[in-house]
Parts: sequence; structure tokens; C-alpha cells
Amino acid sequence: DQQVKQNSPSLSVQEGRISILNCDYTNSMFDYFLWYKKYPAEGPTFLISISSIKDKNEDGRFTVFLNKSAKHLSLHIVPSQPGDSAVYFCAASGADMLTFGGGTRLMVKP
Amino acid sequence: DGGITQSPKYLFRKEGQNVTLSCEQNLNHDAMYWYRQDPGQGLRLIYYSQIVNDFQKGDIAEGYSVSREKKESFPLTVTSAQKNPTAFYLCASSRDRVLGEAFFGQGTRLTVV
Repeated sequence: DQQVKQNSPSLSVQEGRISILNCDYTNSMFDYFLWYKKYPAEGPTFLISISSIKDKNEDGRFTVFLNKSAKHLSLHIVPSQPGDSAVYFCAASGADMLTFGGGTRLMVKP
Repeated sequence: DGGITQSPKYLFRKEGQNVTLSCEQNLNHDAMYWYRQDPGQGLRLIYYSQIVNDFQKGDIAEGYSVSREKKESFPLTVTSAQKNPTAFYLCASSRDRVLGEAFFGQGTRLTVV
């Protein structure tokens, strides 16, 4: 049973527009959430995180929103750039483990 | 430069052979993890360790073994009992499990022929 789900396997966005990547989780014990970016044949790199006591965290073009009651988080990228094209994983931390979603492939078209 | 290093980047083995993947970090992190990624799929946790000489099974530990004799090192052995060992293996480390931010190595692509 997947505890962290990313229901959209892919997303295509025009350069300059907003990209919104979504993630849902089921375990209410998760207390910290993270987004990672991954290129093929490389390890994921950390992008942005949010604690369960907050509902928003912003870092430059990246903003993560957390809705605890809905057990939902989202990553907004604005404006989107072609270099943002990659696979994005959300992850949830709790009970000594870091659990990842299945990933969403973002394609930003010039 | 501090970081986490996996070696080798590509590894080929014959079916039925055990193989060990190396993971070393000089970030002074307590926690280390092994994940497996299959094409088009997310990262699945194999084993993790929060402290030296202690490790725990993740979601897909069957057919794998690990050791944590030193803080810096967390090698993963893929045994012949692993039914589908061909995959991309990622090692990660984190300072604090509560914060959860993990740093990843570049990965090892294991192909069993």
C-alpha cells in the first residue's frame, strides 16, 4: 500500500507558466515533507521542504504548500523554465524512514 | 568537498552471483539509506541505518543484506536470492531523521545477465 502517491506520472507546461505538481499521503504520522528533482541516471537532489507545522514554504521560484487536513502537498514552480524539466519526487519523513512517491515527469516546453 | 559517493556507476554480474555496492559519505551523517529505482517507478526503500552497527529492513529487503560497521560506510549486497536484481540503486544519507533531508549519491546501475 503506497503511503505517498503522485497521481500524475507526467506534466507538460509552457515556458514562463506555472507548474503545479501534486502529492498525497495517507500516514498522519509523517511530520516533514520534501521535494526532490531527479535527472536520468543521477541521484535526486533536494529542492525544498516543509514541516508539518507550516502550510507554506517559499524559496525563489519554488513554493511548497501543505494541506494537513487533506493530506495533500503541492509544489509550485513559477515561472517554469526548460531547465526545470526532470522527474520530481515528493517524500515524507516519519518513523525513521523517508518514503517517496512514484514521481512526476515535468516537461517545460520553450 | 563533503558528499556521498557510490561506486561503481555501472556494474554487470552473472545471474546467481552476489554483488556488493559501495556507499561512502563524509558528511558526518548518522542515517544512511538504500533505495532501488526501476524504470518509470519511484524510489523504494531497501534498508536503512540510523546508527553504527544497527540497521532496519525497508519495504523490499528480501534478497539484500547490509552492514554498518563504520559511520561513513553502508555497503549493500545483492544476493542470488534477489529475483529481479537489475535496477538503479541509490544510496542516501541524512543528518537527522526528524528533519529528513537526505543527500543522494549518483547511483549504481546494476545489470544481471
